[in-house]
Amino acid sequence: EAQVTQNPRYLITVTGKKLTVTCSQNMNHEYMSWYRQDPGLGLRQIYYSMNVEVTDKGDVPEGYKVSRKEKRNFPLILESPSPNQTSLYFCASSTGLAGDQTQYFGPGTRLLVL
Amino acid sequence: GQNIDQPTEMTATEGAIVQINCTYQTSGFNGLFWYQQHAGEAPTFLSYNVLDGLEEKGRFSSFLSRSKGYSYLLLKELQMKDSASYLCAVRWTDSWGKFQFGAGTQVVVTP
Repeated sequence: EAQVTQNPRYLITVTGKKLTVTCSQNMNHEYMSWYRQDPGLGLRQIYYSMNVEVTDKGDVPEGYKVSRKEKRNFPLILESPSPNQTSLYFCASSTGLAGDQTQYFGPGTRLLVL
Repeated sequence: GQNIDQPTEMTATEGAIVQINCTYQTSGFNGLFWYQQHAGEAPTFLSYNVLDGLEEKGRFSSFLSRSKGYSYLLLKELQMKDSASYLCAVRWTDSWGKFQFGAGTQVVVTP
């Protein structure tokens, strides 16, 4: 089944403890992206990647890191999480082709930073 | 980022039609997207407009006017399962991969 998977789905952590949220897609998509969703603010893009080893900042990259060492994986790293990073995080992927604009979203990761 | 505005909430009756508007600043526009998101779930793609006009997909249609910086999503023959948040998103010309979303419009369908 074609899908985007994220792990973990739920995470409670403490301020300053490094964490990684994994994202994997099995559709051979070139493009991948991370978003956070907060009430009243909608989805905000954190980072995106047009291809392997190519990453760019979205609107809210501060406090986050990403890497794209292989096409299928795009992990989101919080080196020193803070309470204002408590949010619902979505990973998404798409083919990157001009004729196919669909972004497929993962199920989301709900993060609470104490 | 540039503002993308859509109403916070709309209520409509089952079987009716609802139109969700989305406005954005025209400078640097490179495509407009609509997504549906049910509570507790991930967004799912509904439509994409880059040229002026109406795109129809079954009960859902999306319209774009680039000169006015305006789009709408039209939901016809509303069903209870259409109760969801509808997200408008814009891609800007400075990067193909960069997207900006509106805050979403919560549509409540009543019997």
